[in-house]
Amino acid sequence: EVQLLESGGGLVQPGGSLRLSCAASGFTFSSYAMSWVRQAPGKGLEWVSAISGSGGSTYYADSVKGRFTISRDNSKNTLYLQMNSLRAEDTAVYYCAKDPRYCSSTSCHGYFQHWGQGTLVTVSS
Amino acid sequence: QSVLTQPPSVSGAPGQRVTISCTGSSSNIGAGYDVHWYQQLPGTAPKLLIYGNSNRPSGVPDRFSGSKSGTSASLAITGLQAEDEADYYCQSYDSSLRVFGTGTKVTVL
Repeated sequence: EVQLLESGGGLVQPGGSLRLSCAASGFTFSSYAMSWVRQAPGKGLEWVSAISGSGGSTYYADSVKGRFTISRDNSKNTLYLQMNSLRAEDTAVYYCAKDPRYCSSTSCHGYFQHWGQGTLVTVSS
Repeated sequence: QSVLTQPPSVSGAPGQRVTISCTGSSSNIGAGYDVHWYQQLPGTAPKLLIYGNSNRPSGVPDRFSGSKSGTSASLAITGLQAEDEADYYCQSYDSSLRVFGTGTKVTVL
Protein backbone atom coordinates (compact mmCIF):
# COMPACT_ATOMS: atom_id res chain seq x y z
CA GLU A 1 0.00 0.00 0.00
CA VAL A 2 1.32 3.40 -0.99
CA GLN A 3 1.79 5.76 1.93
CA LEU A 4 2.92 9.38 1.87
CA LEU A 5 3.43 11.18 5.16
CA GLU A 6 4.18 14.91 5.20
CA SER A 7 5.76 16.74 8.10
CA GLY A 8 7.44 20.04 8.88
CA GLY A 9 4.54 22.44 8.67
CA GLY A 10 3.90 25.14 11.22
CA LEU A 11 3.72 28.86 11.92
CA VAL A 12 6.44 31.05 10.41
CA GLN A 13 6.87 34.81 10.10
CA PRO A 14 6.84 36.56 6.73
CA GLY A 15 10.30 36.36 5.19
CA GLY A 16 11.09 33.20 7.12
CA SER A 17 11.96 29.69 5.97
CA LEU A 18 10.57 26.22 6.47
CA ARG A 19 11.45 22.76 5.15
CA LEU A 20 8.74 20.21 4.48
CA SER A 21 9.40 16.47 4.27
CA CYS A 22 7.39 13.64 2.77
CA ALA A 23 8.23 10.06 3.75
CA ALA A 24 7.17 7.55 1.11
CA SER A 25 6.58 3.81 1.35
CA GLY A 26 4.85 1.02 -0.53
CA PHE A 27 6.42 1.65 -3.95
CA THR A 28 9.83 2.00 -5.61
CA PHE A 29 10.37 5.64 -4.73
CA SER A 30 13.23 6.32 -7.13
CA SER A 31 11.16 5.18 -10.11
CA TYR A 32 8.60 7.96 -9.83
CA ALA A 33 8.47 11.70 -10.14
CA MET A 34 6.99 13.44 -7.13
CA SER A 35 5.13 16.72 -6.72
CA TRP A 36 4.05 19.20 -4.10
CA VAL A 37 0.53 20.62 -4.36
CA ARG A 38 -0.94 23.24 -2.02
CA GLN A 39 -4.37 24.46 -1.07
CA ALA A 40 -4.92 27.81 0.60
CA PRO A 41 -7.76 27.94 3.15
CA GLY A 42 -11.09 27.76 1.33
CA LYS A 43 -9.40 27.82 -2.07
CA GLY A 44 -8.64 25.41 -4.89
CA LEU A 45 -5.63 23.23 -5.61
CA GLU A 46 -2.38 24.74 -6.88
CA TRP A 47 0.53 22.69 -8.19
CA VAL A 48 3.78 23.97 -6.65
CA SER A 49 6.72 21.89 -7.81
CA ALA A 50 7.78 18.55 -9.28
CA ILE A 51 10.96 16.51 -9.40
CA SER A 52 11.97 13.58 -11.57
CA GLY A 53 12.68 10.16 -10.14
CA SER A 54 16.44 10.65 -10.28
CA GLY A 55 16.20 14.19 -8.96
CA GLY A 56 17.95 15.51 -12.03
CA SER A 57 15.01 17.58 -13.27
CA THR A 58 12.94 20.02 -11.28
CA TYR A 59 9.95 22.18 -12.16
CA TYR A 60 8.29 25.09 -10.38
CA ALA A 61 5.15 27.18 -10.58
CA ASP A 62 5.87 30.82 -11.34
CA SER A 63 4.46 31.78 -7.93
CA VAL A 64 7.29 30.00 -6.07
CA LYS A 65 10.17 30.01 -8.56
CA GLY A 66 13.34 31.38 -6.99
CA ARG A 67 11.98 30.99 -3.43
CA PHE A 68 11.22 27.25 -3.12
CA THR A 69 13.53 24.31 -3.82
CA ILE A 70 12.36 20.74 -4.29
CA SER A 71 14.73 17.84 -3.66
CA ARG A 72 14.68 14.16 -2.82
CA ASP A 73 16.81 11.55 -1.07
CA ASN A 74 16.13 8.23 -2.76
CA SER A 75 18.19 6.37 -0.15
CA LYS A 76 15.74 7.58 2.48
CA ASN A 77 12.58 7.47 0.32
CA THR A 78 11.96 11.08 1.25
CA LEU A 79 10.86 14.17 -0.67
CA TYR A 80 11.61 17.70 0.52
CA LEU A 81 10.43 21.24 -0.12
CA GLN A 82 12.67 24.05 1.12
CA MET A 83 10.61 27.21 1.36
CA ASN A 84 12.39 30.56 1.72
CA SER A 85 11.20 34.19 1.71
CA LEU A 86 7.78 33.04 2.76
CA ARG A 87 4.79 35.32 2.20
CA ALA A 88 1.29 35.43 3.67
CA GLU A 89 -0.04 34.08 0.37
CA ASP A 90 2.01 30.89 0.86
CA THR A 91 -0.31 29.94 3.74
CA ALA A 92 -1.83 26.61 2.75
CA VAL A 93 -2.03 22.90 3.33
CA TYR A 94 0.86 21.34 1.41
CA TYR A 95 0.38 17.86 -0.04
CA CYS A 96 3.00 15.61 -1.54
CA ALA A 97 1.87 13.37 -4.37
CA LYS A 98 3.20 10.46 -6.37
CA ASP A 99 3.43 11.73 -9.93
CA PRO A 100 3.60 8.93 -12.51
CA ARG A 101 4.76 10.53 -15.73
CA TYR A 102 4.04 8.85 -19.05
CA CYS A 103 4.64 9.78 -22.66
CA SER A 104 2.60 9.31 -25.81
CA SER A 105 3.96 9.73 -29.31
CA THR A 106 3.43 13.49 -29.14
CA SER A 107 3.74 14.62 -25.52
CA CYS A 108 4.40 13.64 -21.95
CA HIS A 109 1.83 13.79 -19.18
CA GLY A 110 1.72 13.60 -15.42
CA TYR A 111 -0.94 13.23 -12.80
CA PHE A 112 -1.23 12.75 -9.05
CA GLN A 113 -1.87 9.10 -8.35
CA HIS A 114 -1.54 9.07 -4.58
CA TRP A 115 -1.64 11.91 -2.05
CA GLY A 116 -0.45 12.40 1.50
CA GLN A 117 -2.70 13.78 4.21
CA GLY A 118 -1.11 17.24 4.02
CA THR A 119 0.74 19.56 6.39
CA LEU A 120 -0.39 23.10 7.22
CA VAL A 121 1.95 26.03 6.70
CA THR A 122 0.86 29.36 8.18
CA VAL A 123 2.80 32.51 7.35
CA SER A 124 1.87 35.27 9.76
CA SER A 125 3.42 37.75 12.14
CA GLN B 1 -5.34 32.29 -11.67
CA SER B 2 -6.06 28.93 -13.28
CA VAL B 3 -5.96 28.39 -17.03
CA LEU B 4 -8.58 25.62 -16.78
CA THR B 5 -12.11 26.86 -16.10
CA GLN B 6 -14.80 24.83 -14.33
CA PRO B 7 -18.31 25.85 -13.21
CA PRO B 8 -18.24 26.83 -9.53
CA SER B 9 -21.09 24.49 -8.66
CA VAL B 10 -23.43 21.86 -10.03
CA SER B 11 -26.25 20.05 -8.27
CA GLY B 12 -28.58 17.15 -8.80
CA ALA B 13 -31.03 14.87 -7.06
CA PRO B 14 -30.03 11.35 -6.04
CA GLY B 15 -30.01 9.06 -9.06
CA GLN B 16 -29.59 11.87 -11.57
CA ARG B 17 -26.72 12.47 -13.97
CA VAL B 18 -24.52 15.54 -13.64
CA THR B 19 -21.61 16.72 -15.75
CA ILE B 20 -18.71 19.01 -14.94
CA SER B 21 -16.90 20.82 -17.74
CA CYS B 22 -13.22 21.77 -17.83
CA THR B 23 -12.49 24.39 -20.45
CA GLY B 24 -8.93 25.06 -21.56
CA SER B 25 -7.15 26.39 -24.62
CA SER B 26 -4.70 25.55 -27.36
CA SER B 27 -1.76 25.69 -24.92
CA ASN B 28 -3.09 22.99 -22.63
CA ILE B 29 -5.96 20.59 -23.40
CA GLY B 30 -6.01 21.63 -27.05
CA ALA B 31 -2.29 20.96 -27.33
CA GLY B 32 -2.94 17.28 -26.77
CA TYR B 33 -2.27 17.04 -23.06
CA ASP B 34 -4.35 14.49 -21.17
CA VAL B 35 -6.89 15.54 -18.54
CA HIS B 36 -7.20 13.98 -15.10
CA TRP B 37 -9.88 14.39 -12.43
CA TYR B 38 -9.79 14.43 -8.63
CA GLN B 39 -12.44 14.22 -5.94
CA GLN B 40 -11.96 16.01 -2.62
CA LEU B 41 -14.38 15.10 0.13
CA PRO B 42 -14.78 17.70 2.90
CA GLY B 43 -11.75 17.86 5.17
CA THR B 44 -9.76 15.23 3.29
CA ALA B 45 -6.93 15.04 0.75
CA PRO B 46 -7.83 14.87 -2.93
CA LYS B 47 -8.23 11.45 -4.53
CA LEU B 48 -7.56 10.46 -8.13
CA LEU B 49 -10.85 9.76 -9.93
CA ILE B 50 -9.99 9.65 -13.65
CA TYR B 51 -6.59 9.61 -15.38
CA GLY B 52 -5.64 9.84 -19.02
CA ASN B 53 -8.96 11.47 -19.97
CA SER B 54 -11.17 8.44 -19.38
CA ASN B 55 -9.44 5.78 -17.28
CA ARG B 56 -10.65 4.85 -13.81
CA PRO B 57 -8.19 3.65 -11.14
CA SER B 58 -9.17 0.43 -9.47
CA GLY B 59 -11.80 0.99 -6.83
CA VAL B 60 -13.47 3.97 -8.51
CA PRO B 61 -17.10 3.16 -9.35
CA ASP B 62 -18.07 3.08 -13.02
CA ARG B 63 -20.63 5.80 -12.25
CA PHE B 64 -17.74 8.17 -12.89
CA SER B 65 -16.61 8.70 -16.48
CA GLY B 66 -14.41 11.18 -18.30
CA SER B 67 -14.09 12.44 -21.83
CA LYS B 68 -12.10 14.98 -23.79
CA SER B 69 -12.74 16.84 -27.02
CA GLY B 70 -10.84 19.72 -28.54
CA THR B 71 -9.95 22.24 -25.85
CA SER B 72 -12.37 20.87 -23.23
CA ALA B 73 -13.00 17.84 -21.06
CA SER B 74 -15.92 16.60 -19.02
CA LEU B 75 -16.56 14.47 -15.96
CA ALA B 76 -19.92 12.73 -15.74
CA ILE B 77 -21.45 11.25 -12.62
CA THR B 78 -24.42 8.97 -13.27
CA GLY B 79 -26.70 7.65 -10.55
CA LEU B 80 -25.69 10.49 -8.23
CA GLN B 81 -25.33 9.45 -4.59
CA ALA B 82 -25.15 11.43 -1.36
CA GLU B 83 -21.53 10.35 -0.90
CA ASP B 84 -20.61 12.08 -4.17
CA GLU B 85 -21.06 15.49 -2.54
CA ALA B 86 -17.55 16.91 -2.81
CA ASP B 87 -15.26 19.25 -4.72
CA TYR B 88 -13.98 18.09 -8.11
CA TYR B 89 -10.89 19.34 -9.94
CA CYS B 90 -9.58 18.74 -13.44
CA GLN B 91 -5.82 18.82 -14.11
CA SER B 92 -3.66 18.94 -17.20
CA TYR B 93 -0.48 20.55 -18.49
CA ASP B 94 0.10 24.05 -19.82
CA SER B 95 3.44 25.03 -21.32
CA SER B 96 4.89 21.86 -19.81
CA LEU B 97 3.76 22.71 -16.28
CA ARG B 98 1.00 20.95 -14.35
CA VAL B 99 -2.15 23.01 -13.87
CA PHE B 100 -5.46 22.51 -12.05
CA GLY B 101 -8.93 23.66 -12.89
CA THR B 102 -10.80 26.16 -10.73
CA GLY B 103 -12.80 23.42 -9.02
CA THR B 104 -16.50 22.52 -8.90
CA LYS B 105 -18.62 21.84 -5.85
CA VAL B 106 -21.17 19.09 -6.41
CA THR B 107 -24.25 19.25 -4.21
CA VAL B 108 -26.69 16.38 -3.89
CA LEU B 109 -30.14 17.82 -3.36
